[in-house]
Amino acid sequence: LQLQESGPGLEKASETVSLTCTVSGGSISDKNYHWGWIRQPPGKGLEWIGSIYYSGSTYYNPSLKSRAAISVDTSKNQFSLKLSSVTAADTAVFYCARHILRPATKSNWFDPWGQGTLVSVSS
Amino acid sequence: QSVLTQPPSASGTPGQRVTISCSGSSSNIGSNTVNWYQQFPGTAPKLLIYSNNQWPSGVPDRFSGSKSGTSASLAISGLQSEDEADYYCAAWDDSLNGVIFGGGTKLTVL
Repeated sequence: LQLQESGPGLEKASETVSLTCTVSGGSISDKNYHWGWIRQPPGKGLEWIGSIYYSGSTYYNPSLKSRAAISVDTSKNQFSLKLSSVTAADTAVFYCARHILRPATKSNWFDPWGQGTLVSVSS
Repeated sequence: QSVLTQPPSASGTPGQRVTISCSGSSSNIGSNTVNWYQQFPGTAPKLLIYSNNQWPSGVPDRFSGSKSGTSASLAISGLQSEDEADYYCAAWDDSLNGVIFGGGTKLTVL
């Protein structure tokens, strides 16, 4: 299974950043998995943005919920992230990853990850 | 400020055993399992340990994870120069209803 992010690279402040993750080597409609977005500002740590199931149900980081929207396109085997009203603080490498959620065992993890795409926000 | 607390740095000499701690609370580590990720500069994170102490395929058993109460630890035995990387812990948080990461620990092999 491989994941590949694609995005604009550079976006202006106050605009909406749109990113897409293309899944290959497996089906995004696999009922066993969710699909997630994680970001990492330059030189800083990881922050989970949100995750989606093939049916469209979503989980979001409360700190980003008002600005983030994740959607899925099963026909293209892709899922996407839109982050609105971006500022320089949103400059980061954005990763997509398969999100394994196992509520019965209170377990969840991300594996594998895409290579990441840098989004820079200019003011 | 991360909800899971890790030391910003750790170090050891080749062959040594090093541990990295991850401290949380009852709503995250205390209620859910912990995962560890390894990240080399300029590359994507890689799953190292999942469900507290399970190894994904291909990860050497020199890496091991444990959890007790609201804290978790990653141990690396027989430290090698190629282990020099950033290490992140992560868990589900029931209060946030989402995933939280530790701030990361930069491991240096002296």
